[in-house]
Amino acid sequence: SQTIHQWPATLVQPVGSPLSLECTVEGTSNPNLYWYRQAAGRGLQLLFYSVGIGQISSEVPQNLSASRPQDRQFILSSKKLLLSDSGFYLCAWSARTDQPQHFGDGTRLSIL
Amino acid sequence: GEDVEQSLFLSVREGDSSVINCTYTDSSSTYLYWYKQEPGAGLQLLTYIFSNMDMKQDQRLTVLLNKKDKHLSLRIADTQTGDSAIYFCAERVDSSYKLIFGSGTRLLVRP
Repeated sequence: SQTIHQWPATLVQPVGSPLSLECTVEGTSNPNLYWYRQAAGRGLQLLFYSVGIGQISSEVPQNLSASRPQDRQFILSSKKLLLSDSGFYLCAWSARTDQPQHFGDGTRLSIL
Repeated sequence: GEDVEQSLFLSVREGDSSVINCTYTDSSSTYLYWYKQEPGAGLQLLTYIFSNMDMKQDQRLTVLLNKKDKHLSLRIADTQTGDSAIYFCAERVDSSYKLIFGSGTRLLVRP
């Protein structure tokens, strides 16, 4: 069966520091991969989407970037974090674009 | 435009049925989803319905879709304390990769 892993589960970072969140999927090949952000008490906002290695689509302009160095690895990065980057970040995968998306357990990011 | 709305909060007694409602605006929706989020966790896919269906039942869960009114509901029969969580409705428009989420309904099940 397929599984999705995100780490770290919790992260506290100072303003201006870099960021790297990692997501990996097991048990499938060539999945679609997604990064979402959930602000407190809100729904999910899609940040990035990838259909294959090196292919990244950005949904909203922001301080973050994403990369897909391997088929089942998706990384969310920032060179300099802002206070507004605080939130709950969720990675998801789907077998194809029209298939349901399955989520990881998320990373809670706090910026001080 | 694309918008999904849900009520913020629902409280029910253990053993009763829960009905969580959702409205959406885009008539091009193809799939509609229900996800469950427990505290501090990711989203768990509960069920989904294709837009050409009116109803889908899966054990204690029943999804009803009214396309004319763009209204989706999730009924949980015999609600248990373990059902306490936030429930998100989401729509997929056309064949897009993008899901549009509501803000979630917090379900509290009282013993």
